[in-house]
Amino acid sequence: GESVGLHLPTLSVQEGDNSIINCAYSNSASDYFIWYKQESGKGPQFIIDIRSNMDKRQGQRVTVLLNKTVKHLSLQIAATQPGDSAVYFCAENFDNFGNEKLTFGTGTRLTIIP
Amino acid sequence: DTGVSQNPRHKITKRGQNVTFRCDPISEHNRLYWYRQTLGQGPEFLTYFQNEAQLEKSRLLSDRFSAERPKGSFSTLEIQRTEQGDSAMYLCASSRENYGYTFGSGTRLTVV
Repeated sequence: GESVGLHLPTLSVQEGDNSIINCAYSNSASDYFIWYKQESGKGPQFIIDIRSNMDKRQGQRVTVLLNKTVKHLSLQIAATQPGDSAVYFCAENFDNFGNEKLTFGTGTRLTIIP
Repeated sequence: DTGVSQNPRHKITKRGQNVTFRCDPISEHNRLYWYRQTLGQGPEFLTYFQNEAQLEKSRLLSDRFSAERPKGSFSTLEIQRTEQGDSAMYLCASSRENYGYTFGSGTRLTVV
């Protein structure tokens, strides 16, 4: 079946640099996308979301870009900090029943190097 | 808003035993979800409630699994006759319509 996937399983970034985490999705019917951060031993934490009628959305130090033409989603984290080290998941919703069931990718582990 | 609470945080059980987990969602959230997460993987959808009604169940939810939300508030997930393959993190989340999820910290189950 169709699923969300990620290009890179691990990413190491120098503290203070910007990081970009990528995600590919295959279901063109998906209309809602979310990025989650998960630290060890904790549940996923909402970072930012975007609906399919938008190309870009910004939060505090984070930006999500959606390219529907190539079915690509990215998360940009500006001026990374040690606390940004975690596993990042993208998730998509394509459930026609409107219950917002999410399909998650495998995740990218981001390590911030001091 | 105290967040989504899950209990217990950790559970070790012998194969063949039954286990029950509890989830207390954010009070004003009418939607409640259960997901399962194995090591190195993203969460996988198990089931979903809107108020007290269980509206969808994944094929991952075998007949050994049952979930309830009797009064539309807290929910329980029971696994009967546990198997080693049931070892995972069981995550609960809640939401309001058209708003994103809030996840709990999960219950880590180890079947020995």
